Amino acid sequence: KAGVTQTPRYLIKTRGQQVTLSCSPISGHRSVSWYQQTPGQGLQFLFEYFSETQRNKGNFPGRFSGRQFSNSRSEMNVSTLELGDSALYLCASRREVQETQYFGPGTRLLVL
Amino acid sequence: DQQVKQNSPSLSVQEGRISILNCDYTNSMFDYFLWYKKYPAEGPTFLISISSIKDKNEDGRFTVFLNKSAKHLSLHIVPSQPGDSAVYFCAAQVGGSNYKLTFGKGTLLTVNP
Repeated sequence: KAGVTQTPRYLIKTRGQQVTLSCSPISGHRSVSWYQQTPGQGLQFLFEYFSETQRNKGNFPGRFSGRQFSNSRSEMNVSTLELGDSALYLCASRREVQETQYFGPGTRLLVL
Repeated sequence: DQQVKQNSPSLSVQEGRISILNCDYTNSMFDYFLWYKKYPAEGPTFLISISSIKDKNEDGRFTVFLNKSAKHLSLHIVPSQPGDSAVYFCAAQVGGSNYKLTFGKGTLLTVNP
């Protein structure tokens, strides 16, 4: 069974731009979560989608948004990029919300 | 306020010896705990988990211990192998309608040949 895939793997943007990251979960998984990993803060939860509905949201500004499609694929959008948004963005999927999450390889975003 | 803490940023052990990684938590509502391993340029890989109704769970070389009264869990790797060198994250979640994972900042384990 294929794992979680994320595209693109690497991205360079400049301040003020916006970016959209994509995540395809493991087949049959209906929940997709997004995390931001930075050296100082570790892994921080952004939000979780289940059956196209946002279930949980972390403490991030409204510039960070997401959505999930009917095929469970998810996108995350960051508008008005700031230097501090440079991070590894990880997507994780699980079949049901109470089950173990499985992570993708991440998208490395660099904001210049 | 950091609810899941891994106080050792790094740990170095000799091949064949035991590696013990520690994790403390503050939220008494956490009822499920997980350990993930992460290599550079890859996403975290699930390793082992434990429910709060247990105090020990074993899977091959990996054992997780949970001490609820102390709000402490540990991951034991015996014997340690060079391929175990990675960053290990402790994570916790609250059941019910939430199931959101809260991660520690990770511990870099280096296993020396």
